[in-house]
Amino acid sequence: EADIYQTPRYLVIGTGKKITLECSQTMGHDKMYWYQQDPGMELHLIHYSYGVNSTEKGDLSSESTVSRIRTEHFPLTLESARPSHTSQYLCASSMGQGPTGELFFGEGSRLTVL
Amino acid sequence: KNQVEQSPQSLIILEGKNCTLQCNYTVSPFSNLRWYKQDTGRGPVSLTIMTFSENTKSNGRYTATLDADTKQSSLHITASQLSDSASYICVVSDRGSTLGRLYFGRGTQLTVWP
Repeated sequence: EADIYQTPRYLVIGTGKKITLECSQTMGHDKMYWYQQDPGMELHLIHYSYGVNSTEKGDLSSESTVSRIRTEHFPLTLESARPSHTSQYLCASSMGQGPTGELFFGEGSRLTVL
Repeated sequence: KNQVEQSPQSLIILEGKNCTLQCNYTVSPFSNLRWYKQDTGRGPVSLTIMTFSENTKSNGRYTATLDADTKQSSLHITASQLSDSASYICVVSDRGSTLGRLYFGRGTQLTVWP
């Protein structure tokens, strides 16, 4: 079982609130990712990091931001949540060169914005 | 355009029966293909990886095949169990850039009935 943890698992908040989704891994993986998953749809990459102080935007336009100050920690922040941000957010990590290695996923954070 | 198409979208079978899930892709140049299992409310977990030179690989009751010429893969589940109820996601990696990228299918939702 992978050692990657996400909190909170579920969050219901009002429009305009600032939220941070936490993600931590204890495997020492350099590479970490945030994906957005909606029912019946493919996972979409919103942010990734290949190491400390390295972050990049993914394929899906997102109003969120991320930081990577420590190898094990990769939080995602929404400054002002909107109903369109309602979704499942999955954090993942991998080792090896590039993103084509096995992804280890957390259990997800399900966000509902009212 | 690089794509990954999975079929069927959903499938219901009786416990003990076999089933086969399909994945067709247009990703090029191809690096590898993974099948992930995602239980409800959990993150995906890798079942198997197929590289260009591999035709068949088994992981317990799961057997994956790859035909790199026709760009098709299948996941065969033998003697299904209730715990096999999950979404099965096909993920294809390319090697078109230094780091490569991942392409996700939308998954097949499998339900196993007693």
